[in-house]
Amino acid sequence: SQQGEEDPQALSIQEGENATMNCSYKTSINNLQWYRQNSGRGLVHLILIRSNEREKHSGRLRVTLDTSKKSSSLLITASRAADTASYFCATVENNDMRFGAGTRLTVKP
Amino acid sequence: DGGITQSPKYLFRKEGQNVTLSCEQNLNHDAMYWYRQDPGQGLRLIYYSQIVNDFQKGDIAEGYSVSREKKESFPLTVTSAQKNPTAFYLCASSPERQGTTTNEKLFFGSGTQLSVL
Repeated sequence: SQQGEEDPQALSIQEGENATMNCSYKTSINNLQWYRQNSGRGLVHLILIRSNEREKHSGRLRVTLDTSKKSSSLLITASRAADTASYFCATVENNDMRFGAGTRLTVKP
Repeated sequence: DGGITQSPKYLFRKEGQNVTLSCEQNLNHDAMYWYRQDPGQGLRLIYYSQIVNDFQKGDIAEGYSVSREKKESFPLTVTSAQKNPTAFYLCASSPERQGTTTNEKLFFGSGTQLSVL
């Protein structure tokens, strides 16, 4: 069963703009992770944020976590055409990892 | 895609046929997983294994079977009992089962697209 739900389902922006994707979940979590998937490929881990953390950065990625609202956001700054992919949030609850349906990001050159 | 190799990339199944998807990892990871991905949906867990000779059912295990005879290998068989097998199948591994260590991210293979003839 799915835990996280991403919003929006699809996002189209111009190169250089920022992209923000949101993830909501329903129960308590140990941590929340974001993954990226290029079309027809496997998922690649981007960043992990623990339940006692509020914000984390990695290069052009910024992740926030609000456990009171059971939500997280992924911000990609200064987007590039190569950022075009699907982005999934995954929550770890009681040793089980649950994935959302993903946000399809298209960055136009 | 790290040190996980899935084969074949594309697979076709005939009615009533069992097919086996291969997953091999050279990361020395204890835990391995099989996920199914349908278009526009998230990943659903089929089976997972925490250690050699042990595996557990995930959310959608019906119609599938696995084995874990070696640490490096976790093949998935899609049996004829699985009536809707067309999907993208992803194998993943992690050093240990999620939640048991601080190193909890998954490493994924490049996937196998299974279609029904």
